[in-house]
Amino acid sequence: EVHLLESGGRLVQPGGSLRLSCSASDFTLSSYAMSWVRQAPGKGLEWVSALSAGSGTTFYAHSVKGRFTLSRDISKNTLFLQMNGLRAEDTALYYCARRQLGRSYSFDFWGQGTLVTVSS
Amino acid sequence: QSVLTQPPSASGTPGQRVTISCSGSSSNVGTNTANWYQHLPGTAPKLLIYGNDQRPSGVPDRFSGSKSGTSASLAISGLQSEDEADYYCAAWDDSLNGYVFGTGTKVTVL
Repeated sequence: EVHLLESGGRLVQPGGSLRLSCSASDFTLSSYAMSWVRQAPGKGLEWVSALSAGSGTTFYAHSVKGRFTLSRDISKNTLFLQMNGLRAEDTALYYCARRQLGRSYSFDFWGQGTLVTVSS
Repeated sequence: QSVLTQPPSASGTPGQRVTISCSGSSSNVGTNTANWYQHLPGTAPKLLIYGNDQRPSGVPDRFSGSKSGTSASLAISGLQSEDEADYYCAAWDDSLNGYVFGTGTKVTVL
């Protein structure tokens, strides 16, 4: 069964760095586009970043561009989100999501999320 | 700040029909397909509708989606208590070169 497991979230000080991981099971990560989506406390869902299938082209929301870097390790079937220059407004539950195959850009499988708290 | 606008709340009694609107623009819903997610905060969001009006396997046919121009809609017929959740529309935005979610609608079953 397809499964996504996020890890790496914790309390970090403003300006600090963190690397989130998303381990994929039962499918080949590089064959699918993958994204990170976050939800700040009391707020709605916000797309953060995407990595395309195959070539691995990356896309970022304006709010994180230049600070976050998305990558994958094919041998580990794992997605990574390197987060630098963290700000209080980056505090959120971060979800890893798989884009389903086909024309529609939609996410068919999601992880349970990992919590990032940015505070001094 | 989301580029897809939804009403903040919607409600109905069990068995009623509830409709949620999603207003976008030519660079997102107008050009690309609309999708809908059901979300209970703290849990994994669930894909309800993709490709404007397609239901993934396992999603009840009480949920239906439609699109017209730069707007999309989600309808829930035969409302049930377990439908209480937050609902988000979403689409790829060609101008932003990114995915955008709607502002979200909280559905309450009275």
